[in-house]
Amino acid sequence: EAGVAQSPRYKIIEKRQSVAFWCNPISGHATLYWYQQILGQGPKLLIQFQNNGVVDDSQLPKDRFSAERLKGVDSTLKIQPAKLEDSAVYLCASSLGANRGTDTQYFGPGTRLTVL
Amino acid sequence: AQTVTQSQPEMSVQEAETVTLSCTYDTSESDYYLFWYKQPPSRQMILVIRQEAYKQQNATENRFSVNFQKAAKSFSLKISDSQLGDAAMYFCAYRSNSGNTPLVFGKGTRLSVIA
Repeated sequence: EAGVAQSPRYKIIEKRQSVAFWCNPISGHATLYWYQQILGQGPKLLIQFQNNGVVDDSQLPKDRFSAERLKGVDSTLKIQPAKLEDSAVYLCASSLGANRGTDTQYFGPGTRLTVL
Repeated sequence: AQTVTQSQPEMSVQEAETVTLSCTYDTSESDYYLFWYKQPPSRQMILVIRQEAYKQQNATENRFSVNFQKAAKSFSLKISDSQLGDAAMYFCAYRSNSGNTPLVFGKGTRLSVIA
């Protein structure tokens, strides 16, 4: 079974530029998560999708971050314009979407973003 | 809001020895799950072990076991017979059982294994 795929693995941009990350979840997984992991910290949820609908985006800085999940499969996360503090690893995870804590989340390898 | 605290930024262990990583959490809920995830340098988060709060028996997965103290809100991970491949960041995480909720992570503990 193929895992969660993410691209690119690394991205370096200058502040005020825009950037986009892509995630392909495990086939059949209804729930998709984007986490931000700043160096030295644990991942923090940015947005959660259930199929193509947003479940939770309360911690997404909506003035600069946007995300979509067209057709309930792949997802893209965009930052425009980027700030220095956006430097982090962006992790995508997916799960079957069962309404219980036993619903295991599987993570992708992440995209390391450096903003100069 | 739930919080997860890992008070040990770094730990080290000799190969073949046992090490315990600490985790405490804060919640007002009674039904939840706790997890330990491993994150090697490749950055891919891997589920190590999971504990259901309503189960008194501590979870075990091969060389990995937990000490779950619900009243104390403590959830430590014990790694027995440590191997070089165990070297990684370890994250403790909490998840409510009420609905399809995300994980809440601690800041992590970096484990080094000395040959």
